[in-house]
Formats: sequence, C-alpha cells, structure tokens
Amino acid sequence: KNQVEQSPQSLIILEGKNCTLQCNYTVSPFSNLRWYKQDTGRGPVSLTIMTFSENTKSNGRYTATLDADTKQSSLHITASQLSDSASYICVVRGGSQGNLIFGKGTKLSVKP
Amino acid sequence: KAGVTQTPRYLIKTRGQQVTLSCSPISGHRSVSWYQQTPGQGLQFLFEYFSETQRNKGNFPGRFSGRQFSNSRSEMNVSTLELGDSALYLCASSDGQVYTGELFFGEGSRLTVL
Repeated sequence: KNQVEQSPQSLIILEGKNCTLQCNYTVSPFSNLRWYKQDTGRGPVSLTIMTFSENTKSNGRYTATLDADTKQSSLHITASQLSDSASYICVVRGGSQGNLIFGKGTKLSVKP
Repeated sequence: KAGVTQTPRYLIKTRGQQVTLSCSPISGHRSVSWYQQTPGQGLQFLFEYFSETQRNKGNFPGRFSGRQFSNSRSEMNVSTLELGDSALYLCASSDGQVYTGELFFGEGSRLTVL
C-alpha cells in the first residue's frame, strides 16, 4: 500500500535551535517528494520539490534531503524562529495513477 | 499576482443538505485540484481538473463531485452531507505540469456539518 509516514508527530524546540523532521514512504513508482509548511488555519505553502535524482535541496533555512534507495526524506530547519511554528507535511507523488499521497504532518512549536 | 481564492471561508450545514464550494485559481493556471483535510486523516486528494476535464480522482464516494469552467474556476459539490464531511476543504492551482507542477493552495473552506 502506498503510504507516507512522518515522525515525530509533534516537536517543541527553543528559538534558535535546529531540528530535523523525518518522512518515510512506500510509494511506488516514485515521481517526486514535496515538503509543505502549513500555518494554523491557512493553506499549505511549498518549501521544496525533489525528484529521484536530487538528494538535497535548500530553501533559505530549510534543507530537504532525499534517499530514494531507502525511501527516506528529512527536512532540516536551521536557527529556528517563532514563525517556524507550523505543521510540516511530506507529500509523495507516485503510485500507479501518479496521485499525491500525504503524510499526516509534524506539528512544530518554537518557544522563545 | 492574486493567489488562489476560495469561497466561502466558513459554512455550517446540517446532515442531508448539500454544499457547493468555489475556487478561483491563479491567473494563467489551468489545473485545479481539491483536497479534504481532517485532524484524523490529514490531507486527502479528492480530484483534479485540467482544462474543464477531470484528470484524476481520489477514493471518495460519488457524493463528492466537481467541475471546472472555461475560465479555470472550479466548484466542488458535496451532496447528502454526513457528520464526517466536516473538514477543511482546500483547493490548489498549478500550471498543469502533472508531475512537477508547483501547487499553490488557497486558504480553504471550513465546513461544519451538524
């Protein structure tokens, strides 16, 4: 079954610290993997899109990695800010119909 | 450039009623997709339209339907509402590139079914 699993479910860190969010998937065939940031009550906003051949992609303080062999991805946030408090959703496009398969997200809280 | 606009933002319905939600994509985008988001299931894909044709569909019952107009605006309809239909309904637009197209989401329509 095509699935996307994220860990941890929730995370609390202090402002200025770094953190890493994990995403494991079983989607096949694989097309691309995306990370989105969703603030409470808002629509998701894209952070990165990575294809099979890309293993690292950065967007400011956000760096995503992809290991297509182990079917794992991570999102690293550097020098966290209060505005980073949000849910981070890992999404894989793939499967026989090329649909988007969503993880349930990691809720990050950054405390002062 | 204006973003994706969804209306209404909030609505309350009772079981058995039907509801229509509207989505205006970013100018020039021809693809519109719809998603349901609930605390328990997270985000789930409903369907995608491109140039007025349904290009893909998720695993939802036939009570969920949609359409796209010639100006790329899209509507989704849910008939015979159930309590479990309470959710945030998100629409996203893209330039139509199926696999690599960036998705731009609206703020969503929050539906409460009583």
